[in-house]
Amino acid sequence: GENVEQHPSTLSVQEGDSAVIKCTYSDSASNYFPWYKQELGKRPQLIIDIRSNVGEKKDQRIAVTLNKTAKHFSLHITETQPEDSAVYFCAASRPGYSSASKIIFGSGTRLSIRP
Amino acid sequence: DAGVTQSPTHLIKTRGQQVTLRCSPKSGHDTVSWYQQALGQGPQFIFQYYEEEERQRGNFPDRFSGHQFPNYSSELNVNALLLGDSALYLCASSDRGAVGLALGYEQFFGPGTRLTVL
Repeated sequence: GENVEQHPSTLSVQEGDSAVIKCTYSDSASNYFPWYKQELGKRPQLIIDIRSNVGEKKDQRIAVTLNKTAKHFSLHITETQPEDSAVYFCAASRPGYSSASKIIFGSGTRLSIRP
Repeated sequence: DAGVTQSPTHLIKTRGQQVTLRCSPKSGHDTVSWYQQALGQGPQFIFQYYEEEERQRGNFPDRFSGHQFPNYSSELNVNALLLGDSALYLCASSDRGAVGLALGYEQFFGPGTRLTVL
């Protein structure tokens, strides 16, 4: 069945250092890969996304890369700050006008930024 | 422009009871998806509604049912509650008509309903 695997489950980095979270997906038809940040007790919030026709996307300190052949995608956060501490979820989806577009989430990575 | 809203915020029920959760999609959105997020886990897809019909369903038993109204709002019903149904229930909305456009793929999440089953 459809599955998204995410590693690591926990990650602690020194403030200012970089953090990398990696995911793999099983459904080769997936064409949209969002990343969500979830703070305690709050809703998941989209922080960046990438479509299958793009290999890399960057937004300030956040970047995502996609390797369709290997079915791998990764989140990179540079110059980490205390407010980056949260749980991060990778996800895969295949939206289409004539098809339902469920999001398959990874199991999450708890990122802690050490001062 | 209101985002996705859900009600109630919190709910406490006992085993065997039934519960109804409500969701109003973001203005202009016609599709509503429901997710269950158990503590410490990622959200799990329950089902999705558009054009007032269930279009796709995840691995959830028939105790979980839903409905979508002509104004695109939606309800999630859970019968015969079990302790394991305790979770954060998230509603997400999207616009199928925008698929193919720059913002057409994104699903917007509501704040969730925290259900506790005792």
